[in-house]
Amino acid sequence: GAVVSQHPSWVICKSGTSVKIECRSLDFQATTMFWYRQFPKQSLMLMATSNEGSKATYEQGVEKDKFLINHASLTLSTLTVTSAHPEDSSFYICSAEGGSGGAGETQYFGPGTRLLVL
Amino acid sequence: GQQVMQIPQYQHVQEGEDFTTYCNSSTTLSNIQWYKQRPGGHPVFLIQLVKSGEVKKQKRLTFQFGEAKKNSSLHITATQTTDVGTYFCAGRNTGFQKLVFGTGTRLLVSP
Repeated sequence: GAVVSQHPSWVICKSGTSVKIECRSLDFQATTMFWYRQFPKQSLMLMATSNEGSKATYEQGVEKDKFLINHASLTLSTLTVTSAHPEDSSFYICSAEGGSGGAGETQYFGPGTRLLVL
Repeated sequence: GQQVMQIPQYQHVQEGEDFTTYCNSSTTLSNIQWYKQRPGGHPVFLIQLVKSGEVKKQKRLTFQFGEAKKNSSLHITATQTTDVGTYFCAGRNTGFQKLVFGTGTRLLVSP
């Protein structure tokens, strides 16, 4: 149980285009999803917290107009990188948790999406 | 803001040797989780510790949560080549949903 999928797993795009990444919880309802970014040989950096039916909460330094997050259902959240540039190339990982988000919740991670902007 | 540091950044051991990574938070945590990320892969949940001083074991892996709930450690006994990867701790502050990931320790095991 507790499987999270992401699509696509790989994307290469030209500079200036927008890219949408989907994150789905396959066998549970995720009240909260998280979006992380990981640069090579670095740790995961939280970008935003997404609660179903409400606006995402972005971390300091993350541009909400550039990284659009939509969490329209309990099993799907999307991250759209708008007008992508080479510096946006990274490994984007989502995670999902169910329940009330209390101290005992485990986050289940998707397999990640590698974005390369040329 | 909250910072979670891990040491060492990198360790290279011979198969059969032991390995320990230490995790230190700048703030008191409500719980701490450990993840393993293989090269090219995504983080995989290993364990969660909640209680002060808690010790949990998973086969050759021993996890410990400090008494002050600000530090934690992961010890691997008799490493195997399958243990290769980066180990991250991730802490959560009381009342907050988000996890703050540690800087990670990259483990390389030579046969």
